[in-house]
Amino acid sequence: ELKVEQNPLFLSMQEGKNYTIYCNYSTTSDRLYWYRQDPGKSLESLFVLLSNGAVKQEGRLMASLDTKARLSTLHITAAVHDLSATYFCAVRMDSSYKLIFGSGTRLLVRP
Amino acid sequence: EAGVTQFPSHSVIEKGQTVTLRCDPISGHDNLYWYRRVMGKEIKFLLHFVKESKQDESGMPNNRFLAERTGGTYSTLKVQPAELEDSGVYFCASSQIRNTEAFFGQGTRLTVV
Repeated sequence: ELKVEQNPLFLSMQEGKNYTIYCNYSTTSDRLYWYRQDPGKSLESLFVLLSNGAVKQEGRLMASLDTKARLSTLHITAAVHDLSATYFCAVRMDSSYKLIFGSGTRLLVRP
Repeated sequence: EAGVTQFPSHSVIEKGQTVTLRCDPISGHDNLYWYRRVMGKEIKFLLHFVKESKQDESGMPNNRFLAERTGGTYSTLKVQPAELEDSGVYFCASSQIRNTEAFFGQGTRLTVV
């Protein structure tokens, strides 16, 4: 059974600091997603990572994927308050359609 | 283009009552999924429709949950009778083709008291 572990579950950081959220998964997968959710809003897709070594960047967020280690990271650079939200990683099993989610990381960026 | 919409956004009901959640997928999306997040834990898959047919309902927790998608458009998820542990956020998602990215709705927060 595919399991996804995400840490930390809660992250409080100051503006301007850097930090990384980790996502480990237990079996092979053909794609990994990172989502952002603001309270009461839908899950917003941030990145889709398809292959080993994939790296994608959007603004202050950068996601990477190491399929051999079954690890993805979401790196936050020089955090700003607007990044405060809950971030989820989700893994899709090979040849499947279900997404298996991590528990989410609630990020709070303090002034 | 309208996204996935869910109704209601919040629902508070008493234990033993019935609640029906609704999801309107993006127009033209044949695939519709239900997920839920309970007690701040991970978001878990409930079931998958292709048009009006249930492709996979392996995530449905028990027979108190009934999902329908008559006509292959919107879907409903009924909980009858509701129990305290059913509280959580219920998400719906849709995709055009199974192998493409799914788009999520804003979720329905269900509180059973």
